[in-house]
Amino acid sequence: KQEVTQIPAALSVPEGENLVLNCSFTDSAIYNLQWFRQDPGKGLTSLLLIQSSQREQTSGRLNASLDKSSGRSTLYIAASQPGDSATYLCAVPHTGRRALTFGSGTRLQVQP
Amino acid sequence: GAGVSQSPSNKVTEKGKDVELRCDPISGHTALYWYRQSLGQGLEFLIYFQGNSAPDKSGLPSDRFSAERTGGSVSTLTIQRTQQEDSAVYLCASSLEVAGGQETQYFGPGTRLLVL
Repeated sequence: KQEVTQIPAALSVPEGENLVLNCSFTDSAIYNLQWFRQDPGKGLTSLLLIQSSQREQTSGRLNASLDKSSGRSTLYIAASQPGDSATYLCAVPHTGRRALTFGSGTRLQVQP
Repeated sequence: GAGVSQSPSNKVTEKGKDVELRCDPISGHTALYWYRQSLGQGLEFLIYFQGNSAPDKSGLPSDRFSAERTGGSVSTLTIQRTQQEDSAVYLCASSLEVAGGQETQYFGPGTRLLVL
């Protein structure tokens, strides 16, 4: 059974800092990993999808890396802004299926 | 184009009543997923539809939960005889499935269900 863990559970940083969110998964037989953002009371917004054959993916100030063999992914946020405040979730497909198993999320607060 | 839409956005019901939650996926998306997000459990998979294949119901927590997808588009999640532990946000997602499982899932805003 796939299990996904995210560390830290919560993070508060001053504006402008670079930061790293961590995600680990127990079953490395995945074909992709997705990072999502969730604002309070809202649905999920997809940020990045890393294919199993890729080692990293970038979008603007976001960079996600994937080390499938060690079961780890990181989301790097450069020059954080108050608008980045949200919960960040990583998710991988269930083993052999396409439905996602989610981590419990990292709640990020960027102080102005 | 339009994203995934869900209705109602909020639903308050009494214990024991039945509820129906609706999901309209992105047009042309062949795969549709239901997930549930509750305070104690995080985000968990419920059911998955792909084209005309039999749905993957392995995440449904009990036989009070059922879902259907009509015409390969709109889906309805039904909860019978609701219990207080069913209170959660029910999220729907859709994707355009491609070979190798490299598709992104797009989520709706969710339906917030409160069972009194």
